[in-house]
Amino acid sequence: DQQVKQNSPSLSVQEGRISILNCDYTNSMFDYFLWYKKYPAEGPTFLISISSIKDKNEDGRFTVFLNKSAKHLSLHIVPSQPGDSAVYFCAASDGNNDMRFGAGTRLTVKP
Amino acid sequence: NAGVTQTPKFQVLKTGQSMTLQCAQDMNHNSMYWYRQDPGMGLRLIYYSASEGTTDKGEVPNGYNVSRLNKREFSLRLESAAPSQTSVYFCASSVVGRLQTEAFFGQGTRLTVV
Repeated sequence: DQQVKQNSPSLSVQEGRISILNCDYTNSMFDYFLWYKKYPAEGPTFLISISSIKDKNEDGRFTVFLNKSAKHLSLHIVPSQPGDSAVYFCAASDGNNDMRFGAGTRLTVKP
Repeated sequence: NAGVTQTPKFQVLKTGQSMTLQCAQDMNHNSMYWYRQDPGMGLRLIYYSASEGTTDKGEVPNGYNVSRLNKREFSLRLESAAPSQTSVYFCASSVVGRLQTEAFFGQGTRLTVV
């Protein structure tokens, strides 16, 4: 029972354009959401987060949007760069220790 | 600042063998976690430890045991390895409050059970 779903296994965009990665969740108790980035042969690294009291959080080129009524969040990367090519994981937490991850989306940014 | 250190990085086991994956963090974090990553499944929580002396089951605990040796170290043990436990294992740590902060991950252990 996957409580966090990333339905797009892969995404390819041109350098300089916007990348939009999507994530859906089913557990209404989740109140904190995170995005992680993972390069091959490395552990995931934290990218950006958002709590349920907000609907948007921005950090440089990265913006996360949260739509609680739709149980949906998205990560926007503008402008996309070749170095952004990686696997992106969405994660959600209910404030306790059990953080659940999606299956990941592989982003490829073409020069 | 090493962050989260996992050993070993690679391991091949025969079915039925046992082994312990080691994890240590130097960030004075209270919480530590063990995840496994499988293709198309993302990261799934095996066990976690909210603080020294406590451990709890995650999503996929069967076939594993853990020990929170002290605040720094959290080990994962496979008593009798099975091919289904072939995976990449990640240890992580975090500071946990009402709003959970981000977790810091180790580089992973690639385990193959033949």
